[in-house]
Amino acid sequence: DTEVTQTPKHLVMGMTNKKSLKCEQHMGHRAMYWYKQKAKKPPELMFVYSYEKLSINESVPSRFSPECPNSSLLNLHLHALQPEDSALYLCASSLRTSGAQETQYFGPGTRLLVL
Amino acid sequence: AQTVTQSQPEMSVQEAETVTLSCTYDTSESDYYLFWYKQPPSRQMILVIRQEAYKQQNATENRFSVNFQKAAKSFSLKISDSQLGDAAMYFCAYRSSQGGSEKLVFGKGTKLTVNP
Repeated sequence: DTEVTQTPKHLVMGMTNKKSLKCEQHMGHRAMYWYKQKAKKPPELMFVYSYEKLSINESVPSRFSPECPNSSLLNLHLHALQPEDSALYLCASSLRTSGAQETQYFGPGTRLLVL
Repeated sequence: AQTVTQSQPEMSVQEAETVTLSCTYDTSESDYYLFWYKQPPSRQMILVIRQEAYKQQNATENRFSVNFQKAAKSFSLKISDSQLGDAAMYFCAYRSSQGGSEKLVFGKGTKLTVNP
């Protein structure tokens, strides 16, 4: 089973709202990722967690705040977003971040619209 | 820094025919991983196939196979017996095998249309 789940599927929020995206996997993977994808573009890496610790932040604005409460769960907290933050947000996981078990499996994504 | 180039923004194929999507990459590393991901209109990224650079044998998954030319830094995807469900955006991706290099480097994608 290579399932990564994401909720919600769609989210509309105002620029003053606070919302959270959730990602979950039960494959025993110890690395989890957040990507942002604009229309007709490839995904862009935002954050990487390895063994529940943030290992990469790709210079993402502080209005995006990731959290990894446990090895199965990854959250992305959103606050004071801008309309240009509207995108598909993809979560992925891999067994580890290095070595042969680093194949990333993606969730279905959350379509975010910021008004 | 590594780069991945997909020179075909769009491709089309007739149902049941074969199509090849091109991908080239640039790296100074000798060990790495290459992937093809498929993203249908539903937008979920689905792993199609992966190749370890240290393996000379080309990877195959059912109707999908790759032609991995390490010296030429080329990694093309061949889809045989194309089906309507193969219509999607296809992304080629590179990943270093070095520790701490978790980043997937994606190409810009090739949109595949399958005509009935």
